[in-house]
Amino acid sequence: KNQVEQSPQSLIILEGKNCTLQCNYTVSPFSNLRWYKQDTGRGPVSLTIMTFSENTKSNGRYTATLDADTKQSSLHITASQLSDSASYICVVKVVGGSYIPTFGRGTSLIVHP
Amino acid sequence: DVKVTQSSRYLVKRTGEKVFLECVQDMDHENMFWYRQDPGLGLRLIYFSYDVKMKEKGDIPEGYSVSREKKERFSLILESASTNQTSMYLCASQYGGVNTEAFFGQGTRLTVV
Repeated sequence: KNQVEQSPQSLIILEGKNCTLQCNYTVSPFSNLRWYKQDTGRGPVSLTIMTFSENTKSNGRYTATLDADTKQSSLHITASQLSDSASYICVVKVVGGSYIPTFGRGTSLIVHP
Repeated sequence: DVKVTQSSRYLVKRTGEKVFLECVQDMDHENMFWYRQDPGLGLRLIYFSYDVKMKEKGDIPEGYSVSREKKERFSLILESASTNQTSMYLCASQYGGVNTEAFFGQGTRLTVV
């Protein structure tokens, strides 16, 4: 069972609309959670990192939230643009020196004009 | 800017061929990773390296080997390519430490025929 679950698997929205992507994790002990954006045919690029003590962090039109108690994170995209069409991947790291993060399978977002 | 460069964007090889995928980073990162990415499965770790000449198996090492003779270069080797190794291959590098960001290459789309 994947320890990082993302939903929905795919999402289609109209340009200008808002959307929220979800990430639930079971890996522990939790160290940080990162959201990556992956454009088609490209490698992932980090959008934001959330550590245990952070609840909300924004990066332009992207806002990530973290609830460490319920082990849930969300990525909210405001006023979507065509360039937001991509896969969004949630990645969780544990405390304890492991170099290896646990990846979610991603949410594929398509923004239509 | 951090740069992680993969030697090829697209590669077509025949079944049974020995295939080399090269990855070079320019930021003196200790850690380097090879992932494969398949639709619906997300990123899966093949091998990683935390130092020169050091390597560790990831989740799916079968059919692959790696080489890290210099800090900046991490090579993935398919000893005898098979059609089920057709995939997108992503290389990543990062500094040691839990909260550091992994930087990805642009990916190599390998097709084995």
